[in-house]
Amino acid sequence: QKEVEQNSGPLSVPEGAIASLNCTYSDRGSQSFFWYRQYSGKSPELIMSIYSNGDKEDGRFTAQLNKASQYVSLLIRDSQPSDSATYLCAVTGSQGNLIFGKGTKLSVKP
Amino acid sequence: SAVISQKPSRDICQRGTSLTIQCQVDSQVTMMFWYRQQPGQSLTLIATANQGSEATYESGFVIDKFPISRPNLTFSTLTVSNLSPEDSSIYLCSAGGKNYGYTFGSGTRLTVV
Repeated sequence: QKEVEQNSGPLSVPEGAIASLNCTYSDRGSQSFFWYRQYSGKSPELIMSIYSNGDKEDGRFTAQLNKASQYVSLLIRDSQPSDSATYLCAVTGSQGNLIFGKGTKLSVKP
Repeated sequence: SAVISQKPSRDICQRGTSLTIQCQVDSQVTMMFWYRQQPGQSLTLIATANQGSEATYESGFVIDKFPISRPNLTFSTLTVSNLSPEDSSIYLCSAGGKNYGYTFGSGTRLTVV
């Protein structure tokens, strides 16, 4: 059974700080990794995808992948109150579907 | 990435009835996925919908309860049958691919009374 583990939080950071979200996965053969943001009452929104080891940056977001350690992280720089949401880590399953972690709730305090 | 229109956005249904949820994608996609998200929980895959073949269901989900149609490469429906209060949840469809990401419909919030 493929699993994706995340700290459920809540993670609270002050405005302007760096928020660090972490995720581990069980299937060493996983190839594609995604971070979704989900606001309360809304559907998940894709914010980052990463496929190879190392860092990938997009604006204030940086995804980091370490396949040897089966670890994926998301850094949010200059965190804003509007970043307050649940962040879901996902990896692709055998059907091409996504397997989600339980999500980390982030709260950015003004 | 694909844009998905999902409807209805919410519904309140009586026990024993059924609800059919529709998802329309703005481009052709090989696979579509149906998820359930219970309050405060993450997303659980119900089934994978392939055009031209039977849907593939995950453990704990059966075709009699969650029949799926996939008549073409841009459309799919999920029916939740013989509703009980335990079916109250958010249902989401998704499409995309591992190489370019997956998008979601806006979700259907089902309440069974």
